[in-house]
Amino acid sequence: DIQMTQSPTSLSAAVGDRVTITCRASQSIGNYLNWYQQKVGEAPKLLIYGASTLQNGVPSRFSGSGSGTDFTLTINSLQPEDLATYYCQQSYISWTFGQGTKVEIK
Amino acid sequence: QVQLVQSGAEVKRPGASVKVSCKASGYTFTNYYMHWVRQAPGQGLEWMGRFNPNTGGTNSAQKFQGRFTMPTDTSITTAYMELINLTPDDTAVYFCAREDADNYVATLDYWGQGTPVTVSA
Repeated sequence: DIQMTQSPTSLSAAVGDRVTITCRASQSIGNYLNWYQQKVGEAPKLLIYGASTLQNGVPSRFSGSGSGTDFTLTINSLQPEDLATYYCQQSYISWTFGQGTKVEIK
Repeated sequence: QVQLVQSGAEVKRPGASVKVSCKASGYTFTNYYMHWVRQAPGQGLEWMGRFNPNTGGTNSAQKFQGRFTMPTDTSITTAYMELINLTPDDTAVYFCAREDADNYVATLDYWGQGTPVTVSA
């Protein structure tokens, strides 16, 4: 099984800050990497697919990069509504989620 | 518009089984895989498996094999998740989610609202 490891587990940042979340795969997955946002009490929402392509309707302050084993989700100019847990997910072999990164607003 | 509407909360005893439904609308049901993902209280997302409504084919995570099935009734565009021999560790919110394979990378683009399942003596 492919393991997905995110860091940090949680972070606290101020409105307007730039936030970076990393995701590492236990083996190369090309760009078969998606990012989801989950707010408390809600279902996850697709943000980015193929490591770097923004899903329709997602604000442009979100961006993704990486390939192979190392990936990054960046939120430029953090907004109050970005309070959520973010998950990476691979679909290269079967499907696996990272353990999540909780983003809090200072 | 695409909608996935799940059945309501369930409370079960250890050793029992549970069947959760996911009613799909707004798209051609047989054209898209349906996935099941669960989330234990305060924990992350755990992929359970997926079902192809067109072929009947399934893939599931090894830890659930033998205990987890995904029956589907295409006539009423409804997918089901059935889990047997429940233990308290199966207490979680269970989500159905549609797989979109139209892009070069498959994604889960629409999700049900989630069904809480509590397993307790």
